Amino acid sequence: QQQVKQSPQSLIVQKGGISIINCAYENTAFDYFPWYQQFPGKGPALLIAIRPDVSEKKEGRFTISFNKSAKQFSLHIMDSQPGDSATYFCAASVNYGGSQGNLIFGKGTKLSVKP
Amino acid sequence: DGGITQSPKYLFRKEGQNVTLSCEQNLNHDAMYWYRQDPGQGLRLIYYSQIVNDFQKGDIAEGYSVSREKKESFPLTVTSAQKNPTAFYLCASSISTAGSVYGYTFGSGTRLTVV
Repeated sequence: QQQVKQSPQSLIVQKGGISIINCAYENTAFDYFPWYQQFPGKGPALLIAIRPDVSEKKEGRFTISFNKSAKQFSLHIMDSQPGDSATYFCAASVNYGGSQGNLIFGKGTKLSVKP
Repeated sequence: DGGITQSPKYLFRKEGQNVTLSCEQNLNHDAMYWYRQDPGQGLRLIYYSQIVNDFQKGDIAEGYSVSREKKESFPLTVTSAQKNPTAFYLCASSISTAGSVYGYTFGSGTRLTVV
């Protein structure tokens, strides 16, 4: 129940296209859902995050869509660029009475954007 | 600039040796974490610490040890008991206060190879 299942494992998109990465979870106590971006040889960096009280959050070309009833959330990258080529991780954590629990990570999606 | 510094960037270990990976942060974060990353496996939690002089095992703690003598430092020792230590190791930190939604800040990682 603590798992976060991420798909697809890898994704190839043409420049200018939309990249979509999906994550699903079972634990309804999760209340914080961040996405991380990792370039080769580097540590992951926080990209965008959402709480379940909103259904969508947009920051530039990156959008999180959140479906609480389906227990799913997804990352959309609009107008994908070769510089977006990286590994993306979704994650989730529980709020224990005001203290945020450890992040549970998905297994990652390797995105390649072809010029 | 505030951040997390991991050293060394590359480390080579002989069979039967213990090696220690360094992690230092100047973000004044309370919590620190060690993750192991293998291809296709995502991020797996080794150990974490919410406060100085206290730490807990994560999902794959066997063959590893940590200490947290200072708020800024959380070194990881890979012992000879870890039979497959070749991996990319990531250190992270976070604020550990009520309602924090800042997520984790990661270091740039240490790549450990057994020779």
